[in-house]
Amino acid sequence: GQQVMQIPQYQHVQEGEDFTTYCNSSTTLSNIQWYKQRPGGHPVFLIQLVKSGEVKKQKRLTFQFGEAKKNSSLHITATQTTDVGTYFCAGREGSTLGRLYFGRGTQLTVWP
Amino acid sequence: DADVTQTPRNRITKTGKRIMLECSQTKGHDRMYWYRQDPGLGLRLIYYSFDVKDINKGEISDGYSVSRQAQAKFSLSLESAIPNQTALYFCATSDPLAGGDTDTQYFGPGTRLTVL
Repeated sequence: GQQVMQIPQYQHVQEGEDFTTYCNSSTTLSNIQWYKQRPGGHPVFLIQLVKSGEVKKQKRLTFQFGEAKKNSSLHITATQTTDVGTYFCAGREGSTLGRLYFGRGTQLTVWP
Repeated sequence: DADVTQTPRNRITKTGKRIMLECSQTKGHDRMYWYRQDPGLGLRLIYYSFDVKDINKGEISDGYSVSRQAQAKFSLSLESAIPNQTALYFCATSDPLAGGDTDTQYFGPGTRLTVL
């Protein structure tokens, strides 16, 4: 069945350093979404990527969707303490109306 | 989002007890989901419903059942709770036809369940 693998599971960085989390699927995805969960909170939608090779930016966050639509990455430039949390990717295969498959998440810790 | 509410927010129960977790939404979405979250395991789908008459098993449905009482309500039951069902449970909603075809999932605040 569909699997979405996400690495690393944990990442500890000093404030100002960059951070990247990677997502890989065993099958071609129709789209991929990214969510952020703050400590003690619930996942919140960040962005969706649909097109092969798509790159989107939100301030210091850069999201990429691979050419084969099997992998994706989230890169944060110059992390801040407000970036702390767990970042999840979630892929959808086949129809855009199908269910999402969540990766296990990357827990980011940022120390001052 | 405040539009998705879960009750109770915290629950401690004993092995063998029947437990119901409730989810209500005011977003008018047809799709509703139940996930459980365990440290290091991310979000795992228990059940999902694409409309009131539709119920589907997710990855880890054993030991759980659901009821979709109305568009706005989706409840999760543990018929006979066991300790390894101790977890954080999230309800979520989505609407694939709402704005840009993203089918964004909106999560409730979660219910922390402890089974002793």
